[in-house]
Amino acid sequence: AQTVTQSQPEMSVQEAETVTLSCTYDTSENNYYLFWYKQPPSRQMILVIRQEAYKQQNATENRFSVNFQKAAKSFSLKISDSQLGDTAMYFCAFMKGTSGSRLTFGEGTQLTVNP
Amino acid sequence: DAGVTQSPTHLIKTRGQQVTLRCSPISGHKSVSWYQQVLGQGPQFIFQYYEKEERGRGNFPDRFSARQFPNYSSELNVNALLLGDSALYLCASSFYGGVTEAFFGQGTRLTVV
Repeated sequence: AQTVTQSQPEMSVQEAETVTLSCTYDTSENNYYLFWYKQPPSRQMILVIRQEAYKQQNATENRFSVNFQKAAKSFSLKISDSQLGDTAMYFCAFMKGTSGSRLTFGEGTQLTVNP
Repeated sequence: DAGVTQSPTHLIKTRGQQVTLRCSPISGHKSVSWYQQVLGQGPQFIFQYYEKEERGRGNFPDRFSARQFPNYSSELNVNALLLGDSALYLCASSFYGGVTEAFFGQGTRLTVV
């Protein structure tokens, strides 16, 4: 079974600054994917970024990037130039290679961006 | 294209009652999963269905059941509701085999009183 751990229940950052959210996971699988999802108060779970485990290059999506350390089983999310709209709950999630929509989530980090 | 749609958005039930939640996946997606998200926690996997067959089940009691229809829509049923079943129930759809990400609906907020 897989486990995902997010050790920061809450974080805050000033607008325009950079913040990093931490995530570690445990698995015996070789083929898997990692995701960061954002859940604003509207409840809609929105994909922020994904990383294929077989790729060494860290994924980047505009202001969002990850630091994927496969050996350490670490998958942190860096948000640059933080915006007020980034305020949300962020979840790290694990998906076994071909398991479709079956995800294992962490407990989440509540990020607040302050003006 | 429509995203994942769930109905109803909110409902209130009494302990001991039964409830059915519905989910329509994105067109072309054949895998549907259900999650329970208790306030302040991460979503917990309940079921996954693919091609109308159960492909996975989380650690939930037999009071929880689900099914998938030929059009790939799905229903989650919960019998003998308990106060602890109060949660946001999320449905996610995706392709199966290959990748990739799961797309979520806005959820159904169930309150058991």
